[in-house]
Amino acid sequence: DIQMTQSPSSLSASVGDRATITCRASQSISNYLNWYQQKPGKAPKLLIYGASSLQSGVPSRFSGSGSGTDFTLTITSLQPEDFATYYCQQTYSAPPYTFGQGTKLEIK
Amino acid sequence: QVQLQESGPGLVRPSETLSLTCNVFGDSISRSYWSWNRQPPGKGLEWIGYTYHSKSLNYNPSLRSRVTISIDTSKNQISLKLTSVTAADTAVYYCARVGSGWIQLDPWGQGILVTVSS
Repeated sequence: DIQMTQSPSSLSASVGDRATITCRASQSISNYLNWYQQKPGKAPKLLIYGASSLQSGVPSRFSGSGSGTDFTLTITSLQPEDFATYYCQQTYSAPPYTFGQGTKLEIK
Repeated sequence: QVQLQESGPGLVRPSETLSLTCNVFGDSISRSYWSWNRQPPGKGLEWIGYTYHSKSLNYNPSLRSRVTISIDTSKNQISLKLTSVTAADTAVYYCARVGSGWIQLDPWGQGILVTVSS
């Protein structure tokens, strides 16, 4: 299985800050990397697919970058509704399409 | 707008079979791949598997011996069966549509909590 490791596991930031979350794959996955946002008690929501493509309806303050093994999710100018848990998922090689362990973004 | 809704029993006894359905509204189930995923309470996400017309199946190796995903086109519905459940199968179960190209999951159902307990 391809292992996905996110860092940090948790992150404290203030409204208006820039937040960066990284995701590392145990082997090259090209650009087959998707990012999801999950709020408590809710289903995950797709933010970024193909490492850098913004899902329709997602604010432009969210962006993704990277290829191969190292990927980044960046949120510029954090808004109150952005405080949530974020997951990366590789879809290069199945089975299984593995998720990262998650990064909890909290308000400082 | 496509919507997915999971349903099924919220409590299953150990060693029995967990059976869930996912109703799809606003899209023909024949046009896409469909996936099941789960999330134990307080933990991360786990991919269970996906199907297309029940002819193209791909399951998580950790669950392959116990899981079946199928499609009922007449009801526009996806099903999940997981046999011989234990407490470790307690989780919120989500269905999701699989996008073409990057195999992204969108949208997701709201999820259903299934507890395995006697």
